[in-house]
Amino acid sequence: RKEVEQDPGPFNVPEGATVAFNCTYSNSASQSFFWYRQDCRKEPKLLMSVYSSGNEDGRFTAQLNRASQYISLLIRDSKLSDSATYLCVVNIRNYGGSQGNLIFGKGTKLSVKP
Amino acid sequence: IAGITQAPTSQILAAGRRMTLRCTQDMRHNAMYWYRQDLGLGLRLIHYSNTAGTTGKGEVPDGYSVSRANTDDFPLTLASAVPSQTSVYFCASSDSHGVTGELFFGEGSRLTVL
Repeated sequence: RKEVEQDPGPFNVPEGATVAFNCTYSNSASQSFFWYRQDCRKEPKLLMSVYSSGNEDGRFTAQLNRASQYISLLIRDSKLSDSATYLCVVNIRNYGGSQGNLIFGKGTKLSVKP
Repeated sequence: IAGITQAPTSQILAAGRRMTLRCTQDMRHNAMYWYRQDLGLGLRLIHYSNTAGTTGKGEVPDGYSVSRANTDDFPLTLASAVPSQTSVYFCASSDSHGVTGELFFGEGSRLTVL
């Protein structure tokens, strides 16, 4: 089983729709969790951290379920500008000797249509 | 300069040639990383450096070398390029602890080895 798994999509949704992505991780020692956004042919950028109690940033809500080892990202009222690939990222401390190593999922592609 | 700068942005290279990808950051981050991103495989860590003077191997280090002579620069060298090293290479940096999860990425270097 891969360290971090995501549905690659694509998720094709109309403007205004609500869409949710899930991500599962295999290492129970995972400490921190994040969602990154990557636009086509651009570099990844941090979208938001994922806290144990869940957290919200505008139209974006992130949830963590440690017992089931998955995190989710909910996007409400989708905009055309939300079209991107969303990367699930897990921090496994001391993994492979790297301090605070981040493991990236392969990403879920979202396409928001007019 | 603001953030991370990579050079070149794009390069076509003959197999067997030596190539160095440059990476410079001005954020005084201790940790720096090199990733490659390939379709269907996501971001994979090549090498990292937790602080100036130290480096470590990531998931896919073979065929690559790095050096970290100072805080700002983290060049990646392909001693003898092979076609399988065709990829998009991203340099990134983070604060020394890394647990915030925020990596700052350069814009990428698109390398084609023929």
